[in-house]
Amino acid sequence: EAQVTQNPRYLITVTGKKLTVTCSQNMNHEYMSWYRQDPGLGLRQIYYSMNVEVTDKGDVPEGYKVSRKEKRNFPLILESPSPNQTSLYFCASSSPWLEEFFGPGTRLTVL
Amino acid sequence: TQLLEQSPQFLSIQEGENLTVYCNSSSVFSSLQWYRQEPGEGPVLLVTVVTGGEVKKLKRLTFQFGDARKDSSLHITAAQPGDTGLYLCAEGGGSNYKLTFGKGTLLTVNP
Repeated sequence: EAQVTQNPRYLITVTGKKLTVTCSQNMNHEYMSWYRQDPGLGLRQIYYSMNVEVTDKGDVPEGYKVSRKEKRNFPLILESPSPNQTSLYFCASSSPWLEEFFGPGTRLTVL
Repeated sequence: TQLLEQSPQFLSIQEGENLTVYCNSSSVFSSLQWYRQEPGEGPVLLVTVVTGGEVKKLKRLTFQFGDARKDSSLHITAAQPGDTGLYLCAEGGGSNYKLTFGKGTLLTVNP
């Protein structure tokens, strides 16, 4: 089954404690991206990757890091989380001219 | 970055009613995608429109792309509770991958 998986689905952490949210896709897509979704602000892109070892900033990259060492994986790293990073996070993947497939989401709370 | 305006922001109707939601921009869309996001899940693509004036139908859903490619609408006939969700429009994709999302219309269909 074609899918994008994210882990964990839910995470409660404290300010400053480094965390990683994993993302994996099994469709051999070149493009992967991370979004955050907040009430009243919609979906905003954090980072994206056009292919292995090629990443770039989206619209709201501050406080986040990513890496793309393998085609299928695109982890999102928060080196020092802060409460304003409390949000619902989605990973997505696609190929040119095809639909963007979204993962199930990770709900992050930073206390 | 192109700004997409969706209206209305919220819509609550009774089962069996018809409704239309809108997506507008001051700039020309290269292509437009409509997604539906159900509670607790990631967005799922409903349709992509590319050509000005294009009309696509998906069961009870009718999508229109404006002649000038600056606006789009989604019409649902005889809405059902299963249509409840957040309807998002997104511009872009294709060879440059990147999508920009509107803030969405949150639709509630009451039994």
